[in-house]
Amino acid sequence: SQQGEEDPQALSIQEGENATMNCSYKTSINNLQWYRQNSGRGLVHLILIRSNEREKHSGRLRVTLDTSKKSSSLLITASRAADTASYFCATDYNQGGKLIFGQGTELSVKP
Amino acid sequence: AAGVIQSPRHLIKEKRETATLKCYPIPRHDTVYWYQQGPGQDPQFLISFYEKMQSDKGSIPDRFSAQQFSDYHSELNMSSLELGDSALYFCASSFLAGGRETQYFGPGTRLLVL
Repeated sequence: SQQGEEDPQALSIQEGENATMNCSYKTSINNLQWYRQNSGRGLVHLILIRSNEREKHSGRLRVTLDTSKKSSSLLITASRAADTASYFCATDYNQGGKLIFGQGTELSVKP
Repeated sequence: AAGVIQSPRHLIKEKRETATLKCYPIPRHDTVYWYQQGPGQDPQFLISFYEKMQSDKGSIPDRFSAQQFSDYHSELNMSSLELGDSALYFCASSFLAGGRETQYFGPGTRLLVL
């Protein structure tokens, strides 16, 4: 990947549990975005966090950003089987420029 | 709400043929991006346009070209197709003049080169 690491690469949990995915990047960013992709389908935008923000919430999603460690995490609370998908972080270095994607975390939520 | 439209959704071509993928951004969006996602890979940036001018270029082969038209739709032209071009091609749009960096992705075009 051009950017860095996402971990874990795969995560399997039971419905109702929380899922945490981590993303690291290499250089200073303007913002970081999280996307979900159901198997071989389109990328759905979940949340955007700017470099001057530390935490953001959207429904069951919580995203944190630590610019000193160049890392972000996505927490999905009370997971559902419908959350089963691949999750990608993507960094924007240039305010509206190209996105550099991480390798993705494949989340499986078992009913 | 209107989303990004891509056509065709699926395309099968032979080696050395050409292909044209089309993208219709969300209305009022001024920026279009193209990405390529190989099997099991993360999306890779190809090229982008802002107000019909190329704004950035990534790992796009010389065999590929793209443009954005006056109605803001964009086309990705791919010539001398190779087996390795088989991938999902995504178009995304954003409204940069409105200060909105979020990129909204289309459903993708799945290209299979035989």
